[in-house]
Order: sequence, then C-alpha cells, then structure tokens
Amino acid sequence: NAGVTQTPKFRILKIGQSMTLQCTQDMNHNYMYWYRQDPGMGLKLIYYSVGAGITDKGEVPNGYNVSRSTTEDFPLRLELAAPSQTSVYFCASSYSGVVSGANVLTFGAGSRLTVL
Amino acid sequence: AQSVTQLDSHVSVSEGTPVLLRCNYSSSYSPSLFWYVQHPNKGLQLLLKYTSAATLVKGINGFEAEFKKSETSFHLTKPSAHMSDAAEYFCVVSGSYDNFNKFYFGSGTKLNVKP
Repeated sequence: NAGVTQTPKFRILKIGQSMTLQCTQDMNHNYMYWYRQDPGMGLKLIYYSVGAGITDKGEVPNGYNVSRSTTEDFPLRLELAAPSQTSVYFCASSYSGVVSGANVLTFGAGSRLTVL
Repeated sequence: AQSVTQLDSHVSVSEGTPVLLRCNYSSSYSPSLFWYVQHPNKGLQLLLKYTSAATLVKGINGFEAEFKKSETSFHLTKPSAHMSDAAEYFCVVSGSYDNFNKFYFGSGTKLNVKP
C-alpha cells in the first residue's frame, strides 16, 4: 500500500545543473500534481496532469518541465537549477468522481532540494 | 477565483486547552474545503473535508471544522490540545464547479503546544 512515492528525499545541486524528481502513485489516480513549499508561503502549484499525455501549468511553472507518459508516473524536471528553486517539493495525486475519497489530495513525503 | 486566507501564521496553546485555527475563503460558488496537517519533515495528511453535506465536519484526532457560508469561514477546532498536535495546518479550497481537482492552499498556521 505505497500510495505516492517520491525520490530522492534530499538533493543538493550546483547552479546550472539539471535533475529530475521522480513521482509514482499506485492508486490509479487520474490527477497528479507537483507543488513547492517555501516557508510561510503555503504550497504553490507548479504543474498538474489530468491523465496520461495531458499536462498543464500551475501558478509557478517557470524553470520546470513535466511529462506524463503513464498513469502512474509524473516526473518533474529542473533544467538549469537556480538558488530560487531551493525548496521542498511535494507530489500529490487525486481522482475525480462523486464517490467517497474522490477529489482529495494524497501527498508523497516530499523532496528537499538545495541549489548552491 | 478561489483563494484562502489563514488569519494566524502562529498559534500557541497550552496542553489541555482548546485550539482554534482560523480560515476564510473566497469562492464564487459552493466550494469543497479541507484541512491538512503537516508534522515536521513529513508530508501532508488530510484532517477533514467539507463537501456541502453537514456544515460541522469531524476529522481525525478529535479535530472538527464548521462551514459558515455567511462568514465565508471554515475554522478548525479541537476541545483539548495534545502535545502531538504541534504541527503546521493548511486550509485548502478546491477549484471551480467543473474542476474540483484544482486546489488552493492557505499560507499555513503553525501550532505550538506548551506543556
């Protein structure tokens, strides 16, 4: 019963490096999301996906890219890391519907990224 | 557009005393509202959810919240705080009537519980 799994949990990058944060869910949820959390700012939506092959920008997409080739996986790519991308990143998923448990976010444990 | 305002960034209570965490929302229709809790260095866990059924919603760990449409509020309460309640709490409103799977977060309230 894994839920939403994120890797890595911690990562330090140098300015200009690239990396991918991995996210996998085993609940067959159609929606997946990437949020970043900065102190005192709550969570800001970076990108989301409503299903395999469909992605859309959230509030703060600049500097990031995503893809959704399968229902289960939703990786987040940082192409040229900048200090402003130092944050905690959360992947989440949900499913649409009218049954109990629908339209509720389930979160991964988070990935702490530091860019120096 | 939907938005959420959490009125206190920090709340400090003594163990055994009541907890009140305040949340006001803005929405052009009847929203779904949530409270999530985040313990230090952990992910976010759903505490409770309001979806236009009963206005008083009971959640896990003795928490409850009341939806007040006239006041556009969804405050979180607990009669008696426990040390394990120390965490950050987020109020969340869902998206529009045709997109319930977009969620908007408040900036969070850190709850400190003193022995």
